[in-house]
Amino acid sequence: NAGVTQTPKFRVLKTGQSMTLLCAQDMNHEYMYWYRQDPGMGLRLIHYSVGEGTTAKGEVPDGYNVSRLKKQNFLLGLESAAPSQTSVYFCASSDTTGQNTEAFFGQGTRLTVV
Amino acid sequence: AQSVTQPDIHITVSEGASLELRCNYSYGATPYLFWYVQSPGQGLQLLLKYFSGDTLVQGIKGFEAEFKRSQSSFNLRKPSVHWSDAAEYFCAVGYSGYSTLTFGKGTMLLVSP
Repeated sequence: NAGVTQTPKFRVLKTGQSMTLLCAQDMNHEYMYWYRQDPGMGLRLIHYSVGEGTTAKGEVPDGYNVSRLKKQNFLLGLESAAPSQTSVYFCASSDTTGQNTEAFFGQGTRLTVV
Repeated sequence: AQSVTQPDIHITVSEGASLELRCNYSYGATPYLFWYVQSPGQGLQLLLKYFSGDTLVQGIKGFEAEFKRSQSSFNLRKPSVHWSDAAEYFCAVGYSGYSTLTFGKGTMLLVSP
């Protein structure tokens, strides 16, 4: 019962470095999401995907890119990290059908950009 | 645009006392409503959800919430708080035909002895 797994759990980057966060889900969910969580701001949606090969922008997409090459994986990329991207990142997945639209969350990735 | 308001940033409750966390959403259509809890250093866990039917829903850990359409509210309640309930609580709303949930900014619950 892995659910949603995020790697890595912690990372420190220098300004300008790049990295990729990996999210994997084993529930065969169609929808996947990347959020960032900052103090006092709640969860803000970065990008999401409604199925393999599709992606869409959320509320705060600038500075991030995503890919959904396989249904079970959703990757979040930072091409040139900035201190403003210091945050906790959460991946989530959900099914599409009515009663099952709750989102299941990973444990988060704490990213610090120095 | 969808929005969720959690008016209380922090709430302190004595152990054994009752709890009510407020949540208001702003959109006219029939919403799907959720409450999630986040313990320190953890991801979000679903407490309960409302899709349709009975407006009083029961969740895990003794929590319940009531959907009041006239007030656009979905307040979370617990009759007797335990120290282990100390956490951050998030209300979220979704709608049929929309792919995403909108989250409130959260309410931090502190439990005093």
